[in-house]
Amino acid sequence: DAGVIQSPRHEVTEMGQEVTLRCKPISGHNSLFWYRQTMMRGLELLIYFNNNVPIDDSGMPEDRFSAKMPNASFSTLKIQPSEPRDSAVYFCASSQRTAFISGANVLTFGAGSRLTVL
Amino acid sequence: AQSVTQPDIHITVSEGASLELRCNYSYGATPYLFWYVQSPGQGLQLLLKYFSGDTLVQGIKGFEAEFKRSQSSFNLRKPSVHWSDAAEYFCAVGANYQLIWGAGTKLIIKP
Repeated sequence: DAGVIQSPRHEVTEMGQEVTLRCKPISGHNSLFWYRQTMMRGLELLIYFNNNVPIDDSGMPEDRFSAKMPNASFSTLKIQPSEPRDSAVYFCASSQRTAFISGANVLTFGAGSRLTVL
Repeated sequence: AQSVTQPDIHITVSEGASLELRCNYSYGATPYLFWYVQSPGQGLQLLLKYFSGDTLVQGIKGFEAEFKRSQSSFNLRKPSVHWSDAAEYFCAVGANYQLIWGAGTKLIIKP
């Protein structure tokens, strides 16, 4: 398995531009997570999908952020318009969650997308 | 409230020396515990996990961790570190569908 694949690895854009980050989870995994990592706030969960349905988006900072999972093999995180404070590394992770075992959820992470907003 | 504490932000050890990274958790139920490692510019990789059974768990790259319920701890150890172990290490507890993360400990290796 190629693991969780994220693109682009690096993105530099100007304030106000739209940014789209992409993720291909591991085949067969039913759960997908988007995280943001910064020095100041560490790892923050942005949104969680289970079976392609958004379950918890309470971590999405504001309306400028949106995420979709149109099918089991693809997800996007979009920022529109982008701002300098959105500069961070964005990680996608997937897992095969067994619903009846709470907490026993092994996440596999992608390599991340480093976003710089000028 | 559920939380994970990694008291050491940075740890410096000499190559070949032993290592122990501390992790304390606060969780009301049976904890599912994890250690992940993040090398510079990379994603997080699972080192090991504890779900049940033997409280001493072995992981990849020669790491092990011991679950101590009485101390609410899950410390990570390695008998002899290599320069390639320089990375950031994250402890986490599974809470429903998500992981509650510690702030991470950055390991620096002295030659």
